[in-house]
Amino acid sequence: DTGVSQDPRHKITKRGQNVTFRCDPISEHNRLYWYRQTLGQGPEFLTYFQNEAQLEKSRLLSDRFSAERPKGSFSTLEIQRTEQGDSAMYLCASSPPGTGGYGYTFGSGTRLTVV
Amino acid sequence: QKEVEQDPGPLSVPEGAIVSLNCTYSNSAFQYFMWYRQYSRKGPELLMYTYSSGNKEDGRFTAQVDKSSKYISLFIRDSQPSDSATYLCAMSGGAQKLVFGQGTRLTINP
Repeated sequence: DTGVSQDPRHKITKRGQNVTFRCDPISEHNRLYWYRQTLGQGPEFLTYFQNEAQLEKSRLLSDRFSAERPKGSFSTLEIQRTEQGDSAMYLCASSPPGTGGYGYTFGSGTRLTVV
Repeated sequence: QKEVEQDPGPLSVPEGAIVSLNCTYSNSAFQYFMWYRQYSRKGPELLMYTYSSGNKEDGRFTAQVDKSSKYISLFIRDSQPSDSATYLCAMSGGAQKLVFGQGTRLTINP
């Protein structure tokens, strides 16, 4: 296993289009997280899954954002009707059971540019 | 006011210097304190974590947590050009969500 994999690495889209990102976690990790990082800022929490259940969503996750993790394996994050303010790095992380907040492994992120 | 405050720098020091990075926080429920390193266009990687107050050392890196002052630090001894990166502090209250600082951009000059 080579770590957390995210696809695509970079996405350029026109305002108003829908985009979908994929995250493949480390196979034995049951928890999966999405964060958003804008230039010069630290990552901000978006949502988190334990197995297939979405357990927490941030207020940052507007109605245009939806995340899924079918069968508790890979996860997708979809943004509908993209806006220029959605331009950011979208980071996925996973962690094994029982590690609390310190067991994260992050992927390299998907950089979204909305033009 | 943000829950976690971190001086964004940038910070530039000569090779071999001791580097001190700091964060302050306001949420007394935080129990886990982490330092991540992030290279350009990469995801953060965990350097060190500390549970509750105290010090932890790992090679050239030392993490300190003072819960009474709500202040955490990361010290890098004998800094190397390869240490040049953005350093992020992060905290959690035992739940799964991490709260990050803004990140400090560090450059070690040969």
